[in-house]
Amino acid sequence: AQTVTQSQPEMSVQEAETVTLSCTYDTSESDYYLFWYKQPPSRQMILVIRQEAYKQQNATENRFSVNFQKAAKSFSLKISDSQLGDAAMYFCAYRSLSGTASKLTFGTGTRLQVTL
Amino acid sequence: DSGVTQTPKHLITATGQRVTLRCSPRSGDLSVYWYQQSLDQGLQFLIQYYNGEERAKGNILERFSAQQFPDLHSELNLSSLELGDSALYFCASSTPFGGRNTEAFFGQGTRLTVV
Repeated sequence: AQTVTQSQPEMSVQEAETVTLSCTYDTSESDYYLFWYKQPPSRQMILVIRQEAYKQQNATENRFSVNFQKAAKSFSLKISDSQLGDAAMYFCAYRSLSGTASKLTFGTGTRLQVTL
Repeated sequence: DSGVTQTPKHLITATGQRVTLRCSPRSGDLSVYWYQQSLDQGLQFLIQYYNGEERAKGNILERFSAQQFPDLHSELNLSSLELGDSALYFCASSTPFGGRNTEAFFGQGTRLTVV
């Protein structure tokens, strides 16, 4: 079974600064997806960014980018120019591409505080 | 708006009661997933349905059951409710017909409070 580990329960960043959230995972599969989801106080789950394992190029979405190290099974999220609206819980998630039983496995989350 | 609709948004009920949570997936999505998020916890996978059939089961209690109907909407039934069942229940959908598995799209959740 796949596992996802987020070792930072809480992180803090000053507005306009850069912060990196860590995620590691364990799998024996070679083809899969990785995701970062954001959960603001509204509790809505919002997809931030996704990475397909077969792609070597790191995904980017505006101020959000990832550092995907497949061999090390590491998938960190970098948030540049942090804004107050980035304050939320961030969850790393793994999804198998094997067949149709393809649940998302989530890490325990990192709570990000953004300070002035 | 993710396109996934969950009803009701909030539910307050007494211990021992039974409730039904409903989920309408994005148009064309064949997979529906149910997750439970207790206070300040991560998301725990409960169960997945694909085109009406159960495909994967997680840490779902025997008191809980789910089904997916021919129109692809899904219901999660929770019975003999206990205080510890209070949580946010999310439904997510993915896998459009003929498409490759991609990300899951989440509904806004149903907040269940058992008193």
